[in-house]
Amino acid sequence: QQPVQSPQAVILREGEDAVINCSSSKALYSVHWYRQKHGEAPVFLMILLKGGEQKGHEKISASFNEKKQQSSLYLTASQLSYSGTYFCGTEIRTDKLIFGTGTRLQVFP
Amino acid sequence: DVKVTQSSRYLVKRTGEKVFLECVQDMDHENMFWYRQDPGLGLRLIYFSYDVKMKEKGDIPEGYSVSREKKERFSLILESASTNQTSMYLCASSTWWSGRAREQFFGPGTRLTVL
Repeated sequence: QQPVQSPQAVILREGEDAVINCSSSKALYSVHWYRQKHGEAPVFLMILLKGGEQKGHEKISASFNEKKQQSSLYLTASQLSYSGTYFCGTEIRTDKLIFGTGTRLQVFP
Repeated sequence: DVKVTQSSRYLVKRTGEKVFLECVQDMDHENMFWYRQDPGLGLRLIYFSYDVKMKEKGDIPEGYSVSREKKERFSLILESASTNQTSMYLCASSTWWSGRAREQFFGPGTRLTVL
């Protein structure tokens, strides 16, 4: 049931773009995205509720393909502050999330 | 700002000890969750609660129990700690929105080491 995230790790230079994917084998009500910086708690980024909907947060946006049970997180013109581990959380039933194993993103100057 | 606090940042216990991890949230959230985080495994749900005195098993409940006597407080109990329960434990809370769960707010975590 745990969603699959890819890639497992990404290394970027400042200003480069990245895409993180999240794929589930189950039908989804929604997808959540969180970022966890080293030594800190995960922090909510966005929720995607409808198929094909795109949401944005600063230069981070995401899409949700309900039919394919997939979501992608797009990081544009990455900044040093984007470094951290990104988790998708999939809502299969309405009261709990199942999180992926995470994608570690490192941005270097 | 929503605040979720956990009783300890670091905890060291012996095998067989009973361990209590406490979590308190100050935003009147209905839902509370306990996760454990291990390298390469992400966040795995242990137990959750969507009301006082209500609890439901998550994906890895074995070896754990929980208690929710007050809305703001959710406790995780390790009845007899074992070395394979050495992990980072994260508490989270959320509320409802149009019948659907909203974003979760996480506490800082408790790093538990069982010797």
